[in-house]
Amino acid sequence: SQKIEQNSEALNIQEGKTATLTCNYTNYSPAYLQWYRQDPGRGPVFLLLIRENEKEKRKERLKVTFDTTLKQSLFHITASQPADSATYLCALGEGTGRRALTFGSGTRLQVQP
Amino acid sequence: DVKVTQSSRYLVKRTGEKVFLECVQDMDHENMFWYRQDPGLGLRLIYFSYDVKMKEKGDIPEGYSVSREKKERFSLILESASTNQTSMYLCASSLSSTAAYEQYFGPGTRLTVT
Repeated sequence: SQKIEQNSEALNIQEGKTATLTCNYTNYSPAYLQWYRQDPGRGPVFLLLIRENEKEKRKERLKVTFDTTLKQSLFHITASQPADSATYLCALGEGTGRRALTFGSGTRLQVQP
Repeated sequence: DVKVTQSSRYLVKRTGEKVFLECVQDMDHENMFWYRQDPGLGLRLIYFSYDVKMKEKGDIPEGYSVSREKKERFSLILESASTNQTSMYLCASSLSSTAAYEQYFGPGTRLTVT
């Protein structure tokens, strides 16, 4: 069956360190992958999109990698700040046919000052 | 800036009531989506629409219906609310179905069915 896995346990790191979040998938052939940030009681907010033919994408302190062989995406936040504390969701898009994304359940990041 | 608004932030309904959740987007997006979000289960797609009067079932459509009479408005209907439909409901929109576009989410409606 299709599955998207994100670490359900919260990730706790110290301010200034790099946070790395993982998104693994099985039985999908995604054409692209997106990462979202969600704060408590609010809707998710789009951060980055990476396509299957791209290895890496950067935006300011954020970096996403996409390895279709390992069926994995890594999401990095460098020089993390307490304001980065939130839940981060990955979402897969299969490109053709289905027009919707499939979301993982998210990983909560806590950055300690 | 794209704005997606939802009719209520909090809603309490009784079992068996008919419930309407409304979503409006202001950027002429083709696609609109309804999700529910539950702890540990993440975002699950209920229905989506890629054009006016067009809809497709998502992963968990049972107990729900939708209506899209105008491009900017997408309604989720619980025909007869049940306690297992207590959840956070999120509406989203995206520009087009022909390419990979990000989704813009509303603030969510926390529905409690008693």
